[in-house]
Amino acid sequence: QQQVKQSPQSLIVQKGGISIINCAYENTAFDYFPWYQQFPGKGPALLIAIRPDVSEKKEGRFTISFNKSAKQFSLHIMDSQPGDSATYFCAASKRGSSNTGKLIFGQGTTLQVKP
Amino acid sequence: GAVVSQHPSWVICKSGTSVKIECRSLDFQATTMFWYRQFPKQSLMLMATSNEGSKATYEQGVEKDKFLINHASLTLSTLTVTSAHPEDSSFYICSARVGTLYGYTFGSGTRLTVV
Repeated sequence: QQQVKQSPQSLIVQKGGISIINCAYENTAFDYFPWYQQFPGKGPALLIAIRPDVSEKKEGRFTISFNKSAKQFSLHIMDSQPGDSATYFCAASKRGSSNTGKLIFGQGTTLQVKP
Repeated sequence: GAVVSQHPSWVICKSGTSVKIECRSLDFQATTMFWYRQFPKQSLMLMATSNEGSKATYEQGVEKDKFLINHASLTLSTLTVTSAHPEDSSFYICSARVGTLYGYTFGSGTRLTVV
C-alpha cells in the first residue's frame, strides 16, 4: 500500500514533442504528489507538486494531471528540449501517523530528448 | 531559499574504515531530515528519518549500527557509515522538510566508493 508505481521506465522523445510519465498509487491517505528531476551525480530537484484537491497544475512547460478516483497522476512536459534529458521521479507522502513526511518514490523514468 | 548543503560530494575510503557525511540546512531550521541511498539507475531508497534531538527511525532492513545518524542541531544531520565494505558503495542523499509545508529539499548527494 506504500508503493508508487511509475511508467515507463525509459522514454525517447523528439525535440518539441510532449513527454508523458505516469504514476499510480494505492494509499488514499497520500496527500502530496511531487515530481522530481535528477541529473547524473546530482540530488533530485523539485519540478512541480500537486495536492489531491486539484485536478491539474501547470508551471511553465510542466503540467501535473491528477485523477483522484483512479489514484493516478502524470507529468506532461510540453515542447520537450534536449536539456530536459534526465531521470524523473514521481513521489507521494502523507501527513499524520508515524510515517509523517516520508516521501515514497516511484521507480524513475529516464527521458531522452533527441535534437 | 531552503537550501540543503551536503558534504563531501564524493569520497573514496578503504574497506573497514568509517566515513561521515554531513547535511546542513543553510537558511532554515530542519526539524526532520531524511537519508536516502541510491544505486545506479535505481530509485531513491529511504534509509532513515532523523529528528533533531532524538534517535533516528530506521527503515526495515537498514542496519542501525552500520549507518549511524546524528541530528544534534536544527541545521545539521550526519550519516556515518561504519566499517565500510565495497557493497556500501552507493550514492547517499539527504533531504529536509521545509517548515510546516509539504515541501522537501534535497542535498546534492555524496558518491561513496569503498575500495
